Amino acid sequence: DIQLTQSPSSLSPSVGDRITITCRASQSIRTYLNWYQQKPGKAPKFLIYAASSLQSGVPSRFSGSGSGTDFTLTISNLQPEDFATYFCQQSYSAPITFGQGTRLDI
Amino acid sequence: QVQVVQSGAEVKKPGASVKVSCKASGYTFPGYYFHWVRQAPGQGLEWMGWINPNSGGTNYAQKFQGRVTMTRDTSMFTVYMELSSLTSDDTAVYYCARDMMIYGLNYYFDYWGQGTLVTVSS
Repeated sequence: DIQLTQSPSSLSPSVGDRITITCRASQSIRTYLNWYQQKPGKAPKFLIYAASSLQSGVPSRFSGSGSGTDFTLTISNLQPEDFATYFCQQSYSAPITFGQGTRLDI
Repeated sequence: QVQVVQSGAEVKKPGASVKVSCKASGYTFPGYYFHWVRQAPGQGLEWMGWINPNSGGTNYAQKFQGRVTMTRDTSMFTVYMELSSLTSDDTAVYYCARDMMIYGLNYYFDYWGQGTLVTVSS
């Protein structure tokens, strides 16, 4: 199974900050890497697919990059509604796996 | 608009089975695969497998082989996930999630149900 390791596990930024979350895969997954946002008690929300493509309706302050084993999610000009947990997910091969999550704390 | 609505919370005893439903609306139901993903309390996300609502074909993660069954009822626009031989380790929120690709698979989960909490306790 492909392991995904996110860092950091948690972050305490301020509104207006620019933050970066890293996701590292245990083997090359080309650009088969997706990102989700989850708020407490809610289902995950689909943000980015194929490493850098923004899902329809997602604000442009979210961006993704990377290929191979190293990927990043960047949020520019952090807004209050962005405080949540973020998961990466590989869609390269089954079983589909997720990172352990990065929590943004107010 | 696309909506995905799951059945309500369940409490089960160890050794029992649970069946969770996931009803879709707002699009061509047979055209999109569904995945099941679970999340234990305070933990990450775990993929369980998929079902093709058009053919009924399934693919399960090896961890759940022999214990999970995914089915569908096209007349009701509903997919189901049944998990048997429950233990306390199966206590989790179970989500269904639609695959973004029409008549195919890309493992991008674009629409999710609200989640169903399954508690396994004696």
